[in-house]
Order: sequence, then structure tokens, then C-alpha cells
Amino acid sequence: QVHLQESGPGLVKPSDTLSLTCTFSGGPINSYYWTWIRQPAGKGLEWIGHIYANGGTNSNPSLKSRLTMSIDSSKSQFSLKLTSVTAADTAVYYCARERPYFGSGSCLEYWGQGMLVTVSS
Amino acid sequence: DIQMTQSPSSLSASVGDRVTITCRASQTISGCLNWYQRKPGQAPKFLIYGASSLQSGVPSRFSGSGSGTDFTLTISSLQPDDFATYYCQQSCGVPHTFGQGTKVEIK
Repeated sequence: QVHLQESGPGLVKPSDTLSLTCTFSGGPINSYYWTWIRQPAGKGLEWIGHIYANGGTNSNPSLKSRLTMSIDSSKSQFSLKLTSVTAADTAVYYCARERPYFGSGSCLEYWGQGMLVTVSS
Repeated sequence: DIQMTQSPSSLSASVGDRVTITCRASQTISGCLNWYQRKPGQAPKFLIYGASSLQSGVPSRFSGSGSGTDFTLTISSLQPDDFATYYCQQSCGVPHTFGQGTKVEIK
């Protein structure tokens, strides 16, 4: 059974760095992308970016300048750091396992439960 | 970015009804289209990938179709467990973008 769980501070001050970790279990690290998604209250889902087992990444251009993703296969964890946060970064953050499929597609087949991160002083 | 537009944004239906949700991409995305179900307080559940392939364990009353820019999610006979919000997502272009969601409510 594949399981993912987000962890990190639930409250971050404006201009600080938001740091989250996702711990996963129940499957191999290779052959998948490891992905972050967020949803601000009352708004839609936003794909933040993903990282492959070899450390390769793709990220949302709207966040790319502030975003760092990393992966630690020995701990079965991957992480997100978002710098210079504002209230607009307040959202429920999800981690997910993303499976490539035929052609160039991929799908978010397993999700964590999500974690609310509030940016406020 | 590829924009994904779902319609309707909400609908009311009864148990047993056939429900159809559409998703339109702002440019051709071939078959890189996924559907998810979201209930309040829960993480999204993955339903369909590649526009029409049903994820293992998803009831057969769910089906997907379409290609290019126009896609459809159909629930053949709505069940009480199906009242939720449904999202489409394209995964051909970075960033992978979602539709705004369609809320299926009880009539």
C-alpha cells in the first residue's frame, strides 16, 4: 500500500522560507515523479512541480525563481522549499506520486492527505 | 500555460442519473488528460488517465473520452458516494494544469 505524508511548519512568516517534507512508503522510488500540488482556500488546484529519483526537476514557471525541490532516497523523502513567501502562498499543500504513462502523459495516482500552511505574521 | 476549462462549474443530479462533465484545453493535448474526484476534507482520488483509461479499483460507471482539446467524464448511474467535486488535469505541458472543478450536488 502506497502512503505519503506531508510534514513541516503550519505557520510561516511573510518573507520567510516555507519548507515541507513528504515521506513515502509502499513502493519504489524509481520510475515515478514525486510531486507537489497546492490549493489556496476557495481556489483551484495548482501544480507546483516534481522531482525524479535522479534529482531532475520540472517546476511551475510562476514559482520557479523561489522554488527548490530535493529528494533523499535513503530516507524515502522528498522536500520543497519556497522562499520569500507572502499571504498568496497560504494553501493546503499536497505531495503525490506521479506515474508516467504512454506518450508523454503522467498521472497523480497517490496523494498525501494535505497540510495547511498559513503565511502570517 | 495550457488553460483547462470545465463545464458546468456545478450541477444538481439525482441518484441513478447519467452525469456528463466536459473539459476543454486551450491547445491540443493529445491524450494527456486525467480526472480526479475530491470530497471535502479529503485528498483528491485518481479516477482516469490517458483520457479514457480507468484506474484500477475505480467503478466501471465512470468513463472518460475525448482527444485533442475536448474531453468528457461520464458517470453512467450516479451513486450516493459520487457526490463530490471533479477535476480534469492535463499533463502534456509544464506546468501541468487543472480545470477549476465541477461540483456534483444532490438534487
